[in-house]
This record gives sequence, C-alpha cells and structure tokens, in this order.
Amino acid sequence: GENVEQHPSTLSVQEGDSAVIKCTYSDSASNYFPWYKQELGKRPQLIIDIRSNVGEKKDQRIAVTLNKTAKHFSLHITETQPEDSAVYFCAASMNTGFQKLVFGTGTRLLVSP
Amino acid sequence: NAGVMQNPRHLVRRRGQEARLRCSPMKGHSHVYWYRQLPEEGLKFMVYLQKENIIDESGMPKERFSAEFPKEGPSILRIQQVVRGDSAAYFCASSPRNREMNTEAFFGQGTRLTVV
Repeated sequence: GENVEQHPSTLSVQEGDSAVIKCTYSDSASNYFPWYKQELGKRPQLIIDIRSNVGEKKDQRIAVTLNKTAKHFSLHITETQPEDSAVYFCAASMNTGFQKLVFGTGTRLLVSP
Repeated sequence: NAGVMQNPRHLVRRRGQEARLRCSPMKGHSHVYWYRQLPEEGLKFMVYLQKENIIDESGMPKERFSAEFPKEGPSILRIQQVVRGDSAAYFCASSPRNREMNTEAFFGQGTRLTVV
C-alpha cells in the first residue's frame, strides 16, 4: 500500500521567513496530494491541493510543487506569520473513485515574531 | 451549510464500556470517511461508507470496531469493550458523490475519546 513520509517533524522560523515542508510517496498510482493545516485541538483544514497532471500550484503565500518522477511533493509558505504556526500534514490518494487519504506524520511549524 | 457535524466532542469511557461516535455529513454529501489520530501522529484511514454500504474498511481493526451509515440519520462508529489504546481523536470527513475523481473531503471537529 501507499506510504507517505514527511520531513521535517518540527520547523522553527522567524516571522517573514519562508518555510518548506517535504513529502515523499511510494505508490506511483497516487494522483491527488492535499495539504492540511491543523491547529491544536481543531480539525484538519485543507489549505491547498495538487493533482498529478500539474507540477505547481500557488495560492497567495502558499505553493505546492510535485515531482512525479521522484515521487515527492513540497509545501512552500512565504512571508510566514505567527498565525501560520500549526501542524501541517501532507497526504496522498489514488484515483480509486473515492478519497482514501494516506497522511504523513506531520510537521509542527513554529513562527516566532 | 453547517459543515460536518460530529458528536460528542469529548467522550470519556471506562475500560470495557462501549463508545458510540456520531457523524452527520455536509448537506448533499453521500460519502463518509472515518479517520483516527493518535496523540502526536497523523491521521489513519479507518473506513469509507456510502448510505447503507461499507465500501472499504481496510483500516478498521478486525475486532470491537464497527461502522454504519444508515439510510436515515448519522454515520455511527462503534467501539465495543474499549481499551486505553483506543484513546484518540476520531475524525469524520465527507465528500459529495464523485462526479470527478478525488474531490475534497471536509473534516468534522472530531471526537476526542479518552479511556480511563
């Protein structure tokens, strides 16, 4: 089955710096890659996603890149703000007609003012 | 649209008791997924259901756990004879019928189960 690895497990940056979180997946059949932000005690919330027919997607300060050949994808957050502090999860899912997400282990991002 | 509703938000059970977790999907959504999140870990898929059908339960423990999504009412995740290792956050997600593959799943606020 699919296996998703995520690095780093923790990331500390200064406000205004960029943050990059990387994930690798094992199953070349995976074709949907969402990123979720989870604040303490709250639900995971989708922040951006990318499908395998696209190499890059951007939404304001957030971007995701996908390298299908290498089977890895990354989240980039620019101009970080303290409210970006949270746990971020990558996930992967196959085109099976329903969404069975395999999640990474999470990255705890701390943005210091 | 009220979003995915889960209740209770917090549930405390003694070892050996039963836990019943409820999930009402977003209006118009006919697909429900249950995930479990152990402390300091990512979410793990448990089961995928459509109305009156279990489609994929490959992530469900073989014993003590069951799920249903009846024609009327919420989806129920039932854990019988709970043990301390069942303590976790249980998240439900829903998505609309897939007119295209891999549409976004919306998560509920979760039920935090504590077994004492």
